[in-house]
Amino acid sequence: DTEVTQTPKHLVMGMTNKKSLKCEQHMGHRAMYWYKQKAKKPPELMFVYSYEKLSINESVPSRFSPECPNSSLLNLHLHALQPEDSALYLCASSQEGQLFYGYTFGSGTRLTVV
Amino acid sequence: GQSLEQPSEVTAVEGAIVQINCTYQTSGFYGLSWYQQHDGGAPTFLSYNALDGLEETGRFSSFLSRSDSYGYLLLQELQMKDSASYFCAVSTGANNLFFGTGTRLTVIP
Repeated sequence: DTEVTQTPKHLVMGMTNKKSLKCEQHMGHRAMYWYKQKAKKPPELMFVYSYEKLSINESVPSRFSPECPNSSLLNLHLHALQPEDSALYLCASSQEGQLFYGYTFGSGTRLTVV
Repeated sequence: GQSLEQPSEVTAVEGAIVQINCTYQTSGFYGLSWYQQHDGGAPTFLSYNALDGLEETGRFSSFLSRSDSYGYLLLQELQMKDSASYFCAVSTGANNLFFGTGTRLTVIP
């Protein structure tokens, strides 16, 4: 299995809702990432997990809360989002510290906040 | 912080060769990567350069000059399916990747 699977593919939520994005990989990768991508812009790094521990938080607002329950799963919990948070949220994984092999990205969750 | 600059758009003819440049400024440098992203799709990994020089993978080659903080992606024998956005991305540590502004490549018949 060489894929990163993200669910749901599309999500519409109100500003008072709580929702979660899920990401799963079975490639044995021990580094996992969340990125945010707005239309016609590059992906922006949000969080990095290494061996299930949060290692990088790129000054992301607390309304985004990541969680890594085990080495295959990565969640992003959303609460009290703003309309400007509407974007494509991409999950990625990689071999720990092995940049040569690149990151494997999921197809993303397209989030709309209304 | 880091900044990476790329041309916003490039147009080339099917069968031709195109070069996409990337200049970067970072505090700390591990390597430069290139990713392709089709509209509505996921970024896919193309290449990685940690040292100066040229890396070749099929029709794609990537070059890095660390002293000039510069790299490029070379695409040969262009095909219509190569129409996509191309991002350079810099790593300042073993587990991070920061993307450039992106270049939208349009291949015309």
